[in-house]
Amino acid sequence: GEDVEQSLFLSVREGDSSVINCTYTDSSSTYLYWYKQEPGAGLQLLTYIFSNMDMKQDQRLTVLLNKKDKHLSLRIADTQTGDSAIYFCAERRNNAGNMLTFGGGTRLMVKP
Amino acid sequence: ETGVTQSPTHLIKTRGQQVTLRCSSQSGHNTVSWYQQALGQGPQFIFQYYREEENGRGNFPPRFSGLQFPNYSSELNVNALELDDSALYLCASSLLLGELFFGEGSRLTVL
Repeated sequence: GEDVEQSLFLSVREGDSSVINCTYTDSSSTYLYWYKQEPGAGLQLLTYIFSNMDMKQDQRLTVLLNKKDKHLSLRIADTQTGDSAIYFCAERRNNAGNMLTFGGGTRLMVKP
Repeated sequence: ETGVTQSPTHLIKTRGQQVTLRCSSQSGHNTVSWYQQALGQGPQFIFQYYREEENGRGNFPPRFSGLQFPNYSSELNVNALELDDSALYLCASSLLLGELFFGEGSRLTVL
């Protein structure tokens, strides 16, 4: 099994908020990332959070980190149809260089 | 646009063949990482090259090998292809310990 886990699917209505959750297991993680992948495309970095932070906000995106529970979430405010994609969380562990450990991805479907 | 280009975008091979995938790094980046993304899964780290040397490897067999050139571009070679090697292969360039910029990937199908 993967060390980083995500739910498979999330469906929301346009204009609602979306919350995508992720759990990880390695307490030595230094940075945690959220990537977006559209069909047939590579990975686009959305945002990241350093492990000594609890929250980071960037326009419509809010990242929450609970280190005690090893839980990471991404909230997308005012979700649009263009936000439909697969979202991956990933962790970078201490002394792992550029090796990121990815979750399996959450497919977000936004209905008009 | 990340400035990272990969080629070819799609290719089909048969079991036992060999394949070479190519990646051009973003200008100024000295580190290249390769990831394998099987259908419906998250990317898995294959290895990383820094200044032409491999300096990190994931859980992949030796038939997965790579090169990094003086201009920091890179190749991924896979020998003795197996059906399970069918995947999207993603290249990411960065500075060492910096933000990763991913290319669009090379989709390999092994028949």
